[in-house]
Amino acid sequence: EDQVTQSPEALRLQEGESSSLNCSYTVSGLRGLFWYRQDPGKGPEFLFTLYSAGEEKEKERLKATLTKKESFLHITAPKPEDSATYLCAVQDLVRGGNKLVFGAGTILRVKS
Amino acid sequence: GAGVSQTPSNKVTEKGKYVELRCDPISGHTALYWYRQSLGQGPEFLIYFQGTGAADDSGLPNDRFFAVRPEGSVSTLKIQRTERGDSAVYLCASSLQGQETQYFGPGTRLLVL
Repeated sequence: EDQVTQSPEALRLQEGESSSLNCSYTVSGLRGLFWYRQDPGKGPEFLFTLYSAGEEKEKERLKATLTKKESFLHITAPKPEDSATYLCAVQDLVRGGNKLVFGAGTILRVKS
Repeated sequence: GAGVSQTPSNKVTEKGKYVELRCDPISGHTALYWYRQSLGQGPEFLIYFQGTGAADDSGLPNDRFFAVRPEGSVSTLKIQRTERGDSAVYLCASSLQGQETQYFGPGTRLLVL
């Protein structure tokens, strides 16, 4: 069974304090790993897709990386507006079809 | 362009009642997905449509849940004999045919009293 585990469950940072969120996954074959941002009361907002180990993608203060077992979302010099829940999800190439299997998310709070 | 829209945004019902939740996908997206999200959890897959047909309904929890997409665009998720445990946010997503990126709507918050 596909599994996604995110850590930490919650993270509090001061503005400008860089850190990383972790997403560990188990799949039969990885079709894609996805990062989403979710603000309270809203639907998930797409950030990145990673397809193979060694791949990296960046967007503003966010950088996502991928290995064969986990992905990291690095946040550089965060601002209060980066506060949100960050969700990681995988698609299984072998048995998952097109569905996304999500982790429980990491709640990020950035204080000014 | 417009994103995925869902109506109603909030629905309060009583145990045992029937509810319908509607999803309007992004124009031109042939794939449509329903997920359910409980408090403090990530979204959980329910059903996936490619065009008018349900390509994967393995996530529907039981036969009280049913979804349709008769014209390959708008979809309706139907829940019969609602139970308090059905309370959750129901999310809809859509994607281009053959594309993996799914774009989500704002969700419908269902509360069963």
